[in-house]
Amino acid sequence: GDQVEQSPSALSLHEGTGSALRCNFTTTMRAVQWFQQNSRGSLINLFYLASGTKENGRLKSTFNSKESYSTLHIRDAQLEDSGTYFCAAEDTEGADRLTFGKGTQLIIQP
Amino acid sequence: SVLLYQKPNRDICQSGTSLKIQCVADSQVVSMFWYQQFQEQSLMLMATANEGSEATYESGFTKDKFPISRPNLTFSTLTVNNARPGDSSIYFCSSPGTGGYEQYFGPGTRLTVL
Repeated sequence: GDQVEQSPSALSLHEGTGSALRCNFTTTMRAVQWFQQNSRGSLINLFYLASGTKENGRLKSTFNSKESYSTLHIRDAQLEDSGTYFCAAEDTEGADRLTFGKGTQLIIQP
Repeated sequence: SVLLYQKPNRDICQSGTSLKIQCVADSQVVSMFWYQQFQEQSLMLMATANEGSEATYESGFTKDKFPISRPNLTFSTLTVNNARPGDSSIYFCSSPGTGGYEQYFGPGTRLTVL
């Protein structure tokens, strides 16, 4: 099975609202990254976490390695937040190799 | 952090031909990787590009089909040999840069094989 299970696969929000994306890991992960892929296909780094919680503007992410999950919270969603969000994790064997979740397609509606 | 540049940003080729994708880093980096992303799907790690030696390939990817060179610490080339329509995807290079673990990605090369 997949090492990184991401949910939901798709999400539609109205501007100004918020929600959470989640990744569950089936094996112990050393660190997790969250990316936004925009309409041009570029991957934008959102967060890198080896543990704990980070916040940046309207985004907040948590990584709990013991319970094998990570979350990305979006609040006060804006139209420019639309895109596909990926979590990607590095297992304890490391070597910087990332395993990606299948992504969440986020649509922000006016 | 590290800035990664890829060339070309897109290409269209005929089945059976070969094409090269270049990745250049703005600083010397120890680790460099190549990923493949089919449309509307996730990214899959193809291989680790090792400086001065053969690349290390993940399951499902071979050096005959996707030879990778890494002649120095700022440059890598991915070749797609005997391209088929099933190779049509976006190819990304990535690196954690110097002194860090966070991965940075190039802008991607969108390949269409006719």
